[in-house]
Amino acid sequence: QVQLHESGPGLVQPSETLSLTCVVSGYSISDGYYWSWIRQSPEKGLQWIGSVFHTGSTYITRSLRSRLSVSVDTSKNLFSLKLTSVTAADSAMYYCARGTSTIVTPSLFDYWGRGTLVAVSS
Amino acid sequence: EIVLTQSPATLSLSPGDSATLSCRASQNIRENLAWYQQKPGQAPRLLIYGAATRATGIPARFSGSGSGTEFTLTISSLQSEDFALYYCQQYENWPPLWASGQGTHVEIQ
Repeated sequence: QVQLHESGPGLVQPSETLSLTCVVSGYSISDGYYWSWIRQSPEKGLQWIGSVFHTGSTYITRSLRSRLSVSVDTSKNLFSLKLTSVTAADSAMYYCARGTSTIVTPSLFDYWGRGTLVAVSS
Repeated sequence: EIVLTQSPATLSLSPGDSATLSCRASQNIRENLAWYQQKPGQAPRLLIYGAATRATGIPARFSGSGSGTEFTLTISSLQSEDFALYYCQQYENWPPLWASGQGTHVEIQ
């Protein structure tokens, strides 16, 4: 069974960089799909923010292109997120998920991690 | 950018009742719509995609319908585990977007 597990700091200082990792088990990242980050906050609801393919190709939502990078490490079967210059608006529950590609890339998200709560505060 | 609007915000029902949830798109998204269920403290779970296709392992009491701009998720004979939040998501246009707001909360009456 496909399982995803996020890890990272629960608290980040404003203007610093948020780094999160998602370890995948039960499926090889190299076999396909788009490994994705989705965040959820009371203010913005659910928001897809970025995805990475096993080749390293990335897809980033427009509003975060200057601050967000997503990478993959197929040898460790994990993928990662780095979000620079964070503000309170980046406080959210961050989920990693497996994404499919149909009409757009990514399209749907069929397996999710349990999420990690990130607060941006001094 | 496509905007999705869900209604109602809250449905108060009893076990055994049928629930009808609506999702309206601001422009034609054909059948490129998915529904997710989220319980407190859990990640969303994919229920329906292609407007009407159940995801793997989803019980038959969940059904989706619609195309274009009007979509419906029906839960027949609500079970205790079905009381949760429900969200719709479009994937006709990039980026994939969920409905704004807090989805539809199906609560026990």
